[in-house]
Amino acid sequence: DQQVKQNSPSLSVQEGRISILNCDYTNSMFDYFLWYKKYPAEGPTFLISISSIKDKNEDGRFTVFLNKSAKHLSLHIVPSQPGDSAVYFCAANENRDDKIIFGKGTRLHILP
Amino acid sequence: DAGVIQSPRHEVTEMGQEVTLRCKPISGHDYLFWYRQTMMRGLELLIYFNNNVPIDDSGMPEDRFSAKMPNASFSTLKIQPSEPRDSAVYFCASSLAMVVQPQHFGDGTRLSIL
Repeated sequence: DQQVKQNSPSLSVQEGRISILNCDYTNSMFDYFLWYKKYPAEGPTFLISISSIKDKNEDGRFTVFLNKSAKHLSLHIVPSQPGDSAVYFCAANENRDDKIIFGKGTRLHILP
Repeated sequence: DAGVIQSPRHEVTEMGQEVTLRCKPISGHDYLFWYRQTMMRGLELLIYFNNNVPIDDSGMPEDRFSAKMPNASFSTLKIQPSEPRDSAVYFCASSLAMVVQPQHFGDGTRLSIL
């Protein structure tokens, strides 16, 4: 059973508009969440994270929102740029554990 | 600064052969992780080490897979004998020794078993 779910395999967004990537989790013990970005033929790179004591974290064009009651988080990218075209992985961690659990990823296409 | 270095980048071999994937973590990182990425299962953790000691190998699919970390700067993932269903991209990642730190990934090894 997948503990971290990214239900949209792909998403297309016009350049300049907002991209919203969604992630759901099932384990209520998760208390730290991360987003990674992956380009083809490269490894994933860390993008942004959020602790469960917050409901929002912002870094430039990237904002992550956490809704603990719904066990849902989202990544907002605004404005979307061509270089944002990549696969985005949501990941979660349970504080007592050193490992993080990844979702299957969402492929984002930024259209010109 | 050098990132996580994996070799080879690509490996094509016949079923039944032994495959060895190599990883050099970032210097000073105490955690090392091996992942496998497939279309069906996404990015799944196989095993991770802390200070060269295997901590959790529950993700290793079966006894054909083994991993070692003989020292802080080198780790191997071995598959013997290899099977076509092992075809995937294998990533190594490392992180600092704190509760949760972003993991730094290598560029992966694309493995094809014919």
